[in-house]
Amino acid sequence: DIQMTQSPASLSASLGETISIECLASEGISSYLAWYQQKPGKSPQLLIYGANTLQAGVPSRFSGSGSGTQYSLKISSMQPEDEGDYFCQQSYKFPYTFGAGTKLELK
Amino acid sequence: QVQLKESGPGLVQPSQTLSLTCTVSGFSLSRYHVSWIRQPPGKSLVWMGTMWASGNANYNSAVQSRLSISRDTSKDQVFLKMNSLQPEDTGTYFCARQRSFSDFYVMDVWGQGASVTVSS
Repeated sequence: DIQMTQSPASLSASLGETISIECLASEGISSYLAWYQQKPGKSPQLLIYGANTLQAGVPSRFSGSGSGTQYSLKISSMQPEDEGDYFCQQSYKFPYTFGAGTKLELK
Repeated sequence: QVQLKESGPGLVQPSQTLSLTCTVSGFSLSRYHVSWIRQPPGKSLVWMGTMWASGNANYNSAVQSRLSISRDTSKDQVFLKMNSLQPEDTGTYFCARQRSFSDFYVMDVWGQGASVTVSS
């Protein structure tokens, strides 16, 4: 199985701060990488797919980048509504696998 | 409006079988795929399997021997059945629509989740 190593495990950011979350795949996944946001008690919501394509309706302060085995999610200008858990997921090979998650909090 | 809703028992005895139903609306199961994803309490997400629009299914090898996913397109429902349940199967079970964007398969709409506890 492809292992997805996500870092950091938790992050505290100030209002307006830019943050990055990293995801490292155990083998190349050719940009078959998605990012999801999950708020407490809610289901995950798709943010980005294909490593860098923003899902419709997602604010433009979210962006994704990367290739090969290394990917990142950037939030420019942290907002209160951005608090939650973030997960990366590869769909390059079965079984699809997720990162362990990053908990993002507003400082 | 695209919606998915999971239903099933909240409590299952160890060694018994879990049966969950995902009822969808706003799209056709003959055109879109549906995946099941499990989330243990406080942990990350685990893909369980996908029912493809073709009617075929793929399973996570970690649970493949215990898991079956089926559907009834006339009722807009996808079913998950998993046997020999153990306490580590406790968690929230989500169904999600899976679709392709430029060859990238993603889960773009999720149900609210069904909480399942395995305990005697």
